[in-house]
Amino acid sequence: DTAVSQTPKYLVTQMGNDKSIKCEQNLGHDTMYWYKQDSKKFLKIMFSYNNKELIINETVPNRFSPKSPDKAHLNLHINSLELGDSAVYFCASSLLGRRRETQYFGPGTRLLVL
Amino acid sequence: GESVGLHLPTLSVQEGDNSIINCAYSNSASDYFIWYKQESGKGPQFIIDIRSNMDKRQGQRVTVLLNKTVKHLSLQIAATQPGDSAVYFCAELKGGGSNYKLTFGKGTLLTVNP
Repeated sequence: DTAVSQTPKYLVTQMGNDKSIKCEQNLGHDTMYWYKQDSKKFLKIMFSYNNKELIINETVPNRFSPKSPDKAHLNLHINSLELGDSAVYFCASSLLGRRRETQYFGPGTRLLVL
Repeated sequence: GESVGLHLPTLSVQEGDNSIINCAYSNSASDYFIWYKQESGKGPQFIIDIRSNMDKRQGQRVTVLLNKTVKHLSLQIAATQPGDSAVYFCAELKGGGSNYKLTFGKGTLLTVNP
């Protein structure tokens, strides 16, 4: 029944570690996104993939590498985690070409880097 | 409380009153605008959208007004209920083809007092 799901919901880790967040959508959408929400609730796009192809890559450090194995999945791998990476990461999906380009968001992954 | 340290614009209303949340956008070329609601601990949820060729759109208990002259968007919630308490974001869609990018505003924290 879940539309956009993310795992894990919470992630607490040490500085310098490498971690991955997974996202899956069962809406039949062809485009998926990663957003970062900081402590002030500011929401900013990081990446978008359309049909497994990278479309948008905002100014994000190379330590962040998205991977889309198929249209329904978009994972985010983060190398050498830093304190400033602590945030809530949201995955979203949409269907391009529709009149309404509404993006549907997952529940978020709360990352805390110690 | 949740609002401490967030520095979000806040709006506090009594249950049953009407709420008006305002948003200024930056890009006069944006042709699609969306309001999202984010409850505590959840992802943003679509409320209502409007295209730039319209100035008003109504949903169930919600109305969005668009003033392109002054680049202003507002969300009106009728008979506000405690369940409406959340952070509300306006977002504008920019780009074309597969390169659509949703840019979010700062967010407004709505608190409904019973």
